[in-house]
Order: sequence, then structure tokens, then C-alpha cells
Amino acid sequence: RKEVEQDPGPFNVPEGATVAFNCTYSNSASQSFFWYRQDCRKEPKLLMSVYSSGNEDGRFTAQLNRASQYISLLIRDSKLSDSATYLCVVSVGGSYIPTFGRGTSLIVHP
Amino acid sequence: NAGVMQNPRHLVRRRGQEARLRCSPMKGHSHVYWYRQLPEEGLKFMVYLQKENIIDESGMPKERFSAEFPKEGPSILRIQQVVRGDSAAYFCASSPTGGGTEAFFGQGTRLTVV
Repeated sequence: RKEVEQDPGPFNVPEGATVAFNCTYSNSASQSFFWYRQDCRKEPKLLMSVYSSGNEDGRFTAQLNRASQYISLLIRDSKLSDSATYLCVVSVGGSYIPTFGRGTSLIVHP
Repeated sequence: NAGVMQNPRHLVRRRGQEARLRCSPMKGHSHVYWYRQLPEEGLKFMVYLQKENIIDESGMPKERFSAEFPKEGPSILRIQQVVRGDSAAYFCASSPTGGGTEAFFGQGTRLTVV
């Protein structure tokens, strides 16, 4: 089983839609959780950290479910500029290496 | 505050040559991670370094690859005797304290082996 798993998509949604991605992780001892965004052929950029209590940043909401070992990202009122690949990241192992899922592709169309 | 700087941005090497990739972390960051990304693939962890120490190199091939992060200067990822399969984007990320804190990425080096 992969350490971090994501549905690769693509998720194809119209502008203004709400879209949600899930990510599961296998190591119950994982400590830190993040969502990154990667545009084509560019570096990953930190979108937000994910906390047990859940957290919100504008149109983006992240949730962590430790019992079921998954994290989620909700994007409300999608914009064309939200089109990108969204990477789930979990810090695993004794060294807490940031481990990336393969990403979920989002395409927002007019 | 400059971000993570990687150079060169693009590197072309012939099979059998050496490739040296450099990464200068953000100011105040002493933890560096290297990742490799093949086309249409995810980021694969290679090595985690702190100043003058390799903390975890479990993702790095045993042959031809090495990494260092000296007391002074950038972190270097070195690939000896490159082969076509080494062609990829190599990203470096830095964090202030490790231990699962946020990591920030450089723009990457795209290595092409011809």
C-alpha cells in the first residue's frame, strides 16, 4: 500500500463550483499534514497546513480525520486560476520526511 | 527574503558525464530535502540533509548519486555517469527546523541527458 494515496482525477468543474479532494495515508504515526499546489512544470507551492481541528483560508478548507487516516481539501466558488494539481503531503517516519501523493488534477472551465 | 534558489534551471548532459545541482535554502533554514519528479509522475523523496549531516538518504539510488550540505555554501546533489533515465526535474525544499514543519521549494533543475 502506498504511503499517501490520491485520486489522480482529473476533476473537471465549472467556475463557481465546489469541489473536494480526499487523500489517505497509511502510517498512523504521521505527524504533519499539508496541501500543496503544483502548476504545470513548476515547483510545488504550499497551499495550507492541515490541523486536527480543521482550518480555513478564504475559499479553501482543510480537514484531518486521524481515525480514518485521511485528509481533505474543499474549494468553494472555484476560479479558473484554481486549475492545477493538488498534492497531499504527509510527514512520515522518524525523520518526518514530507511524503507526497501523486496529486489530483483540477480543471476549472468557464 | 529570497526564497529557495536552485541552479542551474536547465542542465543538459551527455551520457556518462557528471551533473551537479545546487540548492541554496531560504535564509534561516538549515534543513534541505531533495526530490525527483519524472514526467507525469509524483515527487519522489531522495535525501534529507542538515548542515554537514545526511539525516536520511533512503530514497537515493546507492550507485552514482551523492548529496552534501556543507557548513558554508549550497547543498549539492551530484549524479555521476548520467544515463538517460536520470532525465527529470530535481526539486530542492528547505524548512527551518525539520520535524514536519512546512517546506518551501525552489524552482527546480530540469536535467536532460542526451
